[in-house]
Formats: sequence, structure tokens, C-alpha cells
Amino acid sequence: AAGVIQSPRHLIKEKRETATLKCYPIPRHDTVYWYQQGPGQDPQFLISFYEKMQSDKGSIPDRFSAQQFSDYHSELNMSSLELGDSALYFCASSRGQGNTEAFFGQGTRLTVV
Amino acid sequence: QQQVKQSPQSLIVQKGGISIINCAYENTAFDYFPWYQQFPGKGPALLIAIRPDVSEKKEGRFTISFNKSAKQFSLHIMDSQPGDSATYFCAASISGNQFYFGTGTSLTVIP
Repeated sequence: AAGVIQSPRHLIKEKRETATLKCYPIPRHDTVYWYQQGPGQDPQFLISFYEKMQSDKGSIPDRFSAQQFSDYHSELNMSSLELGDSALYFCASSRGQGNTEAFFGQGTRLTVV
Repeated sequence: QQQVKQSPQSLIVQKGGISIINCAYENTAFDYFPWYQQFPGKGPALLIAIRPDVSEKKEGRFTISFNKSAKQFSLHIMDSQPGDSATYFCAASISGNQFYFGTGTSLTVIP
């Protein structure tokens, strides 16, 4: 079965650079969530979208922005990268607003040097 | 502020034994409680989930017990296997919005 696809899998950026992470949800899933997971930490919710509109917002820094496109894929844009942004970034998708089964992608490991 | 408290932080179980991980929450608006399994460098994988109108749910070797009045829920892994060694996260959400995760339990099953 198709899963959530994230790209790239690994990304190395320098401080103050910009990064773009992409997420392709499971087919027919219209809700996307972004999470950040630091080493040894639990995933922290950043932001979510339903039907291309932002549906919920968590602890996403102002330096980050995200959107969901007409084909339901989503992109997380991160600017002015800081060392502390180094983490695993996960995207999850689900079908329908309020539908609760969310499936996670394999994540993007971002390293800021 | 951790919305979902999880214990223990780490757990070592003999092969064939029962692994038990506990979680507690305060927000009574939570209406969905999933458990995720995560291997190093991989994304969390949905294991099993429960809603508060059910006290227990079993899928294969995995069972969730839910105590609504105590605001607690737990994951039981029966006949634990070395392949079950992973980090387990409980979580809670309100109507499928953001998931609040517990701090995770690192399970090691010794052969």
C-alpha cells in the first residue's frame, strides 16, 4: 500500500540558509500534519492542513511556513536556519477532517551546521 | 507542558513476557488515543488506537486498556518478541487535530 512520501530523506544546510521539505500524502488523504522530533524527544506538532487550508497550528517558529497544494502535497519552508532546527521532520496524513487515523512518513533528517 | 504523561521511560522484558506501558492525561476533551511504534530513524507507525467509549481493544498481541474515570490508558504487548524492541509513544488528540505525544518508552526485549 502507498505510504506517506517525504523528500528529501536527508538534508544538510548551513546556518541562516533556507530549506524546503516536501510531503506527499497517501492517495485520497486530504489532511497533512507536520511534526518536529529532536533527538530522544517525542514528536512536536508544528502545523496541519485540511483541504489546502491551515487547520491547526502548534509550536511552529515564525521563520517556518507551510502550505498544502491543489494535489494535496505539502511543503514546509524553513528560513534563517538555526543549529537548533536540526531534527527529524515528519509529515503525517489522514483522510477527512476529524478522521483520526494518521499515518506518518519516514521523515526528513535536517542537519544544520 | 506535557499533555500526555508516559511511563516508564525504558523497559526491559524477556522474550515471551508481557510489556506494559502506561499513559495518563488531563484534558477530558481528548477523544482518540493511538499508540505508535518507532524504530530508530523511522517514522512512527500506528499500532493500535482506542476511543473513550471503549474500555479495551485487542489486535493480535497488542491490547489497549482504557480507564476513562482515571484518565489513564495502557498498552500491553503479549508474548513480547525481540522484533518488538522499539520506542513506543502514546498520543491523544481532539477530533483528529494535532496529536499530543507522550515522552516515549524504549522497549528492549531480551531473547
